[in-house]
Amino acid sequence: QVQLVESGGGVVQPGGSLRLSCVASGFTFSDYGIHWVRQAPGKGLEWVAFVRSDGDNKFYGNSVKGRFSISRDNSKNTLYLQMSSLRPEDTAVYYCATDYRLHLDYWGQGTLVTVSS
Amino acid sequence: EVVLTQAPATLSVSPGERATLSCRASQSVSSNLAWYQQKSGQAPRLLIYDASTRATGIPARFSGSGSGTEFTLTISRLQSEDFAVYYCQQYNNWPPITFGQGTRLEI
Repeated sequence: QVQLVESGGGVVQPGGSLRLSCVASGFTFSDYGIHWVRQAPGKGLEWVAFVRSDGDNKFYGNSVKGRFSISRDNSKNTLYLQMSSLRPEDTAVYYCATDYRLHLDYWGQGTLVTVSS
Repeated sequence: EVVLTQAPATLSVSPGERATLSCRASQSVSSNLAWYQQKSGQAPRLLIYDASTRATGIPARFSGSGSGTEFTLTISRLQSEDFAVYYCQQYNNWPPITFGQGTRLEI
């Protein structure tokens, strides 16, 4: 069955950096685009970034553009999100999710990022 | 950026009743709209895509309708496990992909 497992979350100071990972199994990872979506505590869903299956085409939400970078290693079935210049408003649970024609059909359980001094 | 507005923010219904949730787009998104269910402490789950197509394994009591700027998610004969937060998402005009703010369905 499809499984996505995020990791790498934790507490980081404002201005700091963090790299999240999402390990996939149960499907042919290299055939699918993957999204990052986040959810601040008690708030709704916010789309963060998307990378197509080949890793060459990347797209970002306005609030993270220029600070976050999405990438993937198809040989390791792994998606990454490199986050820099972190702000308190980046505090959220970060989910990875598979893409099916730009809707998100399988989701991981998320990893919590807390930006605080 | 397409803004999605969901109404109501909270909907109180009883098991066995029908629930109707609304999602309005600030500009036409054709039929490129999806609905998700999120239970407390869990990841979202895809329910409906292309405005009216049920995702794999979703019960027939969930149905979606609409096109352009007005969309509806209907849950007939509510069951206890249906009480959750529901989000709409558009993928017609992107980036960015955008979500509505959610409707909480409660007893």
